Amino acid sequence: GAVVSQHPSWVICKSGTSVKIECRSLDFQATTMFWYRQFPKQSLMLMATSNEGSKATYEQGVEKDKFLINHASLTLSTLTVTSAHPEDSSFYICSASGTQSSYEQYFGPGTRLTVT
Amino acid sequence: GQSLEQPSEVTAVEGAIVQINCTYQTSGFYGLSWYQQHDGGAPTFLSYNALDGLEETGRFSSFLSRSDSYGYLLLQELQMKDSASYFCVLTGANNLFFGTGTRLTVIP
Repeated sequence: GAVVSQHPSWVICKSGTSVKIECRSLDFQATTMFWYRQFPKQSLMLMATSNEGSKATYEQGVEKDKFLINHASLTLSTLTVTSAHPEDSSFYICSASGTQSSYEQYFGPGTRLTVT
Repeated sequence: GQSLEQPSEVTAVEGAIVQINCTYQTSGFYGLSWYQQHDGGAPTFLSYNALDGLEETGRFSSFLSRSDSYGYLLLQELQMKDSASYFCVLTGANNLFFGTGTRLTVIP
C-alpha cells in the first residue's frame, strides 16, 4: 500500500514552454502532498505544500507564478513549470503523507525535467 | 531556521557495521527521520525517532538525543545493495526538512 506515482518520469522541453507534472496517490487519499526539487548529488529542497481544495503554500524563494500547483482531488496534485528555462532543469519529486502516521511520507519516483 | 549536518561520504566493507551521524539545529520538531535514496530513485522511509533512544528495525537502527541535538543511523551486516544516499530529516507536524545526505558506498 501507500504507492505514489508521477507522470511523466522524464520530459524534455524547449525553453519558454510549460510542462505539467502529475502526482497521484494510487491506493490512499492524500489531503496534503509535497513537491520537492533535487539537483544532482544534492538534497531534496521542499518547494511547496499542496493542500486539496486550497492554495498551495510555497517555501521562501520559490516563485508561485512560475511553479503552479493544483491539488484538485484527494489523489492528484499537479505541478506546472511555466515558461521553463534551462536553469529549471532538475529532478522533481512529490510525496504524500501516509494514513497510518503523519511522519512517514511516501515519495513518487520523480520526474527528470530537461529544458533545452 | 533549521539546519542538519551529515558527512558527505562514507565507505564501508560488505558485512561490516557503519554509523552515519547527524547533528541539527532547529527551533522545534516532532522527531528525526531517516530516508534512503538510490541513484535516480525515490527516497524511502527507514526509521523515525520521536523520543530519545534507540529504534531498531531489522539491520537498521536509529538513535536520537534531543539534549545533544544529535542522531545517528546504524547499518549492520552491510550488503552491496545498501550503497545509496542516506538523509536525516527533521520531521514536523506535516512536513520534512532534509539534511544534505550521506553517500554510502559498500565495497566487497
